[in-house]
Amino acid sequence: NAGVTQTPKFQVLKTGQSMTLQCAQDMNHEYMSWYRQDPGMGLRLIHYSVGAGITDQGEVPNGYNVSRSTTEDFPLRLLSAAPSQTSVYFCASSYDARYTYEQYFGPGTRLTVT
Amino acid sequence: AQSVTQLDSQVPVFEEAPVELRCNYSSSVSVYLFWYVQYPNQGLQLLLKYLSGSTLVESINGFEAEFNKSQTSFHLRKPSVHISDTAEYFCAVSVGGSNYKLTFGKGTLLTVNP
Repeated sequence: NAGVTQTPKFQVLKTGQSMTLQCAQDMNHEYMSWYRQDPGMGLRLIHYSVGAGITDQGEVPNGYNVSRSTTEDFPLRLLSAAPSQTSVYFCASSYDARYTYEQYFGPGTRLTVT
Repeated sequence: AQSVTQLDSQVPVFEEAPVELRCNYSSSVSVYLFWYVQYPNQGLQLLLKYLSGSTLVESINGFEAEFNKSQTSFHLRKPSVHISDTAEYFCAVSVGGSNYKLTFGKGTLLTVNP
């Protein structure tokens, strides 16, 4: 049981490039989410999904896309990277949308946009 | 909308000293309250939670927090800290009935010195 896995761990992009951050969980969790963590800002919700085929925007969705074609995977796409997207990104999952406080967090992806 | 304020961004203490990390929230409806811990280079882990019932909640590693509705606070305390408690601590709130979205505070870095 690997829990929540994220790849890559580190990434450097140039402004304007696109990329996909991968997130997978093997716990059959319905709810998955993406957060970004910036110094002094805490965690802010980017997008979330309450089940396969269902996604919705969080607090800071601009510049990011998500899809949820399977229960296990929830990739986050940066369409055209900007320096303001330099951050640490965390994926998380929970059994059910009613229990988001019991989320399991992945180890994070540290992204730098130059 | 709910919000969370963590009053101290950094708290340095000596080993075996008591510590209190302060958290205040604002919400016009009933809330669920949580403390998360993030050890260096790791994701967040749920430390303790208040959903209902007793206003004093405890974790397995000696932390406790008390829900104070009149003061809209949920301060985290430990009577005697260890070096291994060095981490960043996040207070979070979820509005009752809509657990889809957690709102996090900006975090408090607890540094325990020998």
